[in-house]
Amino acid sequence: SQTIHQWPATLVQPVGSPLSLECTVEGTSNPNLYWYRQAAGRGLQLLFYSVGIGQISSEVPQNLSASRPQDRQFILSSKKLLLSDSGFYLCAWSGGAGTSAQGVYYNEQFFGPGTRLTVL
Amino acid sequence: GQQLNQSPQSMFIQEGEDVSMNCTSSSIFNTWLWYKQDPGEGPVLLIALYKAGELTSNGRLTAQFGITRKDSFLNISASIPSDVGIYFCAGQNSGNTPLVFGKGTRLSVIA
Repeated sequence: SQTIHQWPATLVQPVGSPLSLECTVEGTSNPNLYWYRQAAGRGLQLLFYSVGIGQISSEVPQNLSASRPQDRQFILSSKKLLLSDSGFYLCAWSGGAGTSAQGVYYNEQFFGPGTRLTVL
Repeated sequence: GQQLNQSPQSMFIQEGEDVSMNCTSSSIFNTWLWYKQDPGEGPVLLIALYKAGELTSNGRLTAQFGITRKDSFLNISASIPSDVGIYFCAGQNSGNTPLVFGKGTRLSVIA
């Protein structure tokens, strides 16, 4: 079965410090990978997604960046954190486009446990 | 970009009551998904819908893919305290495009 891991679980960083959050997926190959941010009590904001190694699509311009050095590894980085970067960061994966027996495309997405980042 | 309107934003119900929430869109989706997020955790997939008009159940949960493909609803019957959380709807147009998420419905259950 497939599992998704994120670390660290929690992180407290000073303003201006760098950031590196890691996400890995096991039990599948060539997944689509996603980074989301969730402010307290709010919805899910898609930050980046990747359909393959080295392929990154950015949804929101900001001081964050993402990289996919390996098929099942997705990294979220920043050179200098801002106070507004605080939040709950979620990684997710999906199996990519496919068809069920009924010939319908599906793309179920599965989330990791999240990293709570506090920037002080 | 595409947006999903999810309602209600929040709801307080008594234990044992039934719950209904829905999502609407101005554009068509080919897949509708419903997730639940417990506090401090990642969202968990509850139900996936792939066909217009499809009605799918998962225990006390029932979801439907609207016939126009522009809406979906989720019903929870006989609510219990562990139903507390945020429920998100999500839609998708085609295979590799990211999901579009609603802003969530925060459910509180009063024992």
